[in-house]
Amino acid sequence: KQEVTQIPAALSVPEGENLVLNCSFTDSAIYNLQWFRQDPGKGLTSLLLIQSSQREQTSGRLNASLDKSSGRSTLYIAASQPGDSATYLCAVEWDSNYQLIWGAGTKLIIKP
Amino acid sequence: DGGITQSPKYLFRKEGQNVTLSCEQNLNHDAMYWYRQDPGQGLRLIYYSQIVNDFQKGDIAEGYSVSREKKESFPLTVTSAQKNPTAFYLCASSINRPGELFFGEGSRLTVL
Repeated sequence: KQEVTQIPAALSVPEGENLVLNCSFTDSAIYNLQWFRQDPGKGLTSLLLIQSSQREQTSGRLNASLDKSSGRSTLYIAASQPGDSATYLCAVEWDSNYQLIWGAGTKLIIKP
Repeated sequence: DGGITQSPKYLFRKEGQNVTLSCEQNLNHDAMYWYRQDPGQGLRLIYYSQIVNDFQKGDIAEGYSVSREKKESFPLTVTSAQKNPTAFYLCASSINRPGELFFGEGSRLTVL
């Protein structure tokens, strides 16, 4: 069964720290993996999309890596700010399945 | 500005009533999706449509119905057959197969 897991469910860190969010998935034959941000009561915003042939993607202070062999992706946030507080979700699309499979998300709180 | 518009943002329904959630996009995307989000869970796919006049069931289609008569519009009806309809509903679109997803702001349905 294709599954996506995000641990921890919640994370609180002081402002200014670098941090890593984790996403693990079963079945390495993925098509792509996406990271999203969701603010409370809002829709999702796509942050980074990594194709299966790529190892990482970067956007500003965000860097997402992909290791298919270990079934893992990480989202690295540099120099965290209170405005980064949100829930971060990852979603995986497999070659064999048109649908995205979602993790439950990590709720991130950056303390001023 | 291009984007996805969902309405209403909040909706209250009595048991036994059908309600329709609106989703309109001006991104010229072929594919559109409806997801349900419950606390502590990943997003679950209700229905998706890859092209006008065609749509497919997702994992939790029972008690829901959709139509895709225009490229821009993909309304979702929550019927009285849906046993636990209270949830946050998200509409999304993409150019074709999932790829990068763009989301609306969501509609929160509460059954009284």
